[in-house]
Amino acid sequence: DAKTTQPPSMDCAEGRAANLPCNHSTISGNEYVYWYRQIHSQGPQYIIHGLKNNETNEMASLIITEDRKSSTLILPHATLRDTAVYYCIVKPPYNTDKLIFGTGTRLQVFP
Amino acid sequence: DAGITQSPRHKVTETGTPVTLRCHQTENHRYMYWYRQDPGHGLRLIHYSYGVKDTDKGEVSDGYSVSRSKTEDFLLTLESATSSQTSVYFCAISEASGDYNEQFFGPGTRLTVL
Repeated sequence: DAKTTQPPSMDCAEGRAANLPCNHSTISGNEYVYWYRQIHSQGPQYIIHGLKNNETNEMASLIITEDRKSSTLILPHATLRDTAVYYCIVKPPYNTDKLIFGTGTRLQVFP
Repeated sequence: DAGITQSPRHKVTETGTPVTLRCHQTENHRYMYWYRQDPGHGLRLIHYSYGVKDTDKGEVSDGYSVSRSKTEDFLLTLESATSSQTSVYFCAISEASGDYNEQFFGPGTRLTVL
C-alpha cells in the first residue's frame, strides 16, 4: 500500500503557484520523498526528491516539514502544460526498491 | 528523453492467447521495471530486474513472467491472457547511484484482452 495521502484533485490558475500537499506521517528516517507526474496517458516523469532539506530544481521546489511527516510540491508559475496527475512517493535508499504509486493528485491548471 | 521504447504500442488479443511485450533501452541502465496502470489506480509494479538474468516479483506478479537475457531488453509475458490483464503497461529503467533512484518511463503499451 502507498504510504502517502494526497488530495484527489486541485485547481490552479495559470501563472499562479501550485502547492500540492502530501502526508507521509509514517515515513522512516532513511526514506526519501519523491515526486513524479503523469501528463495525460504518458509515462510518469520524475520531478524532484528530498530527504529532509528543502530542494529546488528547474521544475519545482520541495518543502519537507521539520518532522518529515508531510511535504509540499511547489510549481512556482503553473502553466497549462502542468495539468497532470502528481504522485508523492516515499522510498528507502536501496537501489532495488520499487516505487509504490498511490492515486496521486489531479492538478488542473486553468487559463 | 531517456532512450526507452516499448513494443507493441497497442495490442488487442483474445483470452487464453500468449502475449509478449518488449521493453528496449539504449541507456545501458542496470534496473528495469514493468508496471501496469488501471483506472482508479496508480501504477503497480509487476516485475523488475536488477541485471541480466536477475529478476524479482513486484506486487501484482501473478499471471506474468519476465525475462532479461540482454541488458537492453526486458520482456513481459502473459502466458495465457485474461480479461483482467487488460491494462496499460509501462516499462521503466533506472541507474541508481547511491541513494538516488530516478526512474525513466517508456511511452506505454495499451493491451486489450477480449
